[in-house]
Amino acid sequence: KAGVTQTPRYLIKTRGQQVTLSCSPISGHRSVSWYQQTPGQGLQFLFEYFSETQRNKGNFPGRFSGRQFSNSRSEMNVSTLELGDSALYLCASSYGGEANEQFFGPGTRLTVL
Amino acid sequence: AQSVSQHNHHVILSEAASLELGCNYSYGGTVNLFWYVQYPGQHLQLLLKYFSGDPLVKGIKGFEAEFIKSKFSFNLRKPSVQWSDTAEYFCAVIGGSQGNLIFGKGTKLSVKP
Repeated sequence: KAGVTQTPRYLIKTRGQQVTLSCSPISGHRSVSWYQQTPGQGLQFLFEYFSETQRNKGNFPGRFSGRQFSNSRSEMNVSTLELGDSALYLCASSYGGEANEQFFGPGTRLTVL
Repeated sequence: AQSVSQHNHHVILSEAASLELGCNYSYGGTVNLFWYVQYPGQHLQLLLKYFSGDPLVKGIKGFEAEFIKSKFSFNLRKPSVQWSDTAEYFCAVIGGSQGNLIFGKGTKLSVKP
């Protein structure tokens, strides 16, 4: 089975721009979660989508948004980028049941200049 | 709010030394507990998980963890580390109605050959 894939792997943007990151889950997985990883804050939960609906949301500003498509692929959007948004953005997929094991992708490294 | 504490930021060991990484969580109800590992340049992988039953959980690559409910702890152990265990280790919890993983800040393990 192919693993979780994320595109692009690296991105460089400037402040004020917006960015869209993509995640393709493992085949058969219906839940996709997004996390932000930074050296200072560690891994922080952004949101989770299940069957095209946002099921859970972390404590991030409204500039961070996401969506999920009928094939379970998910996108994450960050608008009006700030320097502090520079991070590794990780996507994880699972079957979606309670406390299912989450499988992580390689991440997208976003640098905001 | 739930939180996870990992006591050590960076641990340096020689090969064949024993390892114990501390993890404490703050949630008082039923929890599901995980240890993830991130090898240099690779994505997060699940080492082991505890949902219920035997509090001593065995994972991949000779790792084990013990859930001690009275201490809200889930420490990771390995009797004899190898150079290839050099990585960052993350403890995580899912508790209550939260479906997302709450991660600790991580512990970097460096194993000297």
